[in-house]
Amino acid sequence: DTAVSQTPKYLVTQMGNDKSIKCEQNLGHDTMYWYKQDSKKFLKIMFSYNNKELIINETVPNRFSPKSPDKAHLNLHINSLELGDSAVYFCASSPRGNEKLFFGSGTQLSVL
Amino acid sequence: AQSVTQLDSQVPVFEEAPVELRCNYSSSVSVYLFWYVQYPNQGLQLLLKYLSGSTLVKGINGFEAEFNKSQTSFHLRKPSVHISDTAEYFCAVIVPDGGATNKLIFGTGTLLAVQP
Repeated sequence: DTAVSQTPKYLVTQMGNDKSIKCEQNLGHDTMYWYKQDSKKFLKIMFSYNNKELIINETVPNRFSPKSPDKAHLNLHINSLELGDSAVYFCASSPRGNEKLFFGSGTQLSVL
Repeated sequence: AQSVTQLDSQVPVFEEAPVELRCNYSSSVSVYLFWYVQYPNQGLQLLLKYLSGSTLVKGINGFEAEFNKSQTSFHLRKPSVHISDTAEYFCAVIVPDGGATNKLIFGTGTLLAVQP
């Protein structure tokens, strides 16, 4: 009955590979997000979708492509992984017009 | 543009002692203010928020924060901490624009390390 779930929890891969992280929320929220937390714990928004529509797209390399097949899912696909992509990626969701975000437990990506 | 500054990267404190974690923000427009907590290897949880009204906000786990507009601060306090409060604490702001999404801007975090 997890509210916001991400898979996998850990992802170790080689440079140049393509990988995906999946996120699902069962809260009925309209809006979903991807945040990146670097090694110094700094959190920064990457993308936001509202009802499958891209709303926020920060300055993120176009190797990162979010996909929202429906409003309960927001997946993150990363092409040609680089060392600097190593971080913890958090998915989150919020109800429309509500400022409270619910976060998943994170996916720790390590690029070797 | 908005920004959030957490002046202390780490705050060591003994169990049952009081603690204050500092947060200052910069914005030319009104903002909503938040404190989130991140326990080891977990996602973030909302501790408390200030949207409007009373400047003293009470949250979960005995934490409270006070919004000070003149000093653009939103410091987090707890009168007596427990070992279980050891975690990373993030201050954040949102600019309310009536839109569908909320772009949280986070500070760099403060590690609260409670020692026995």
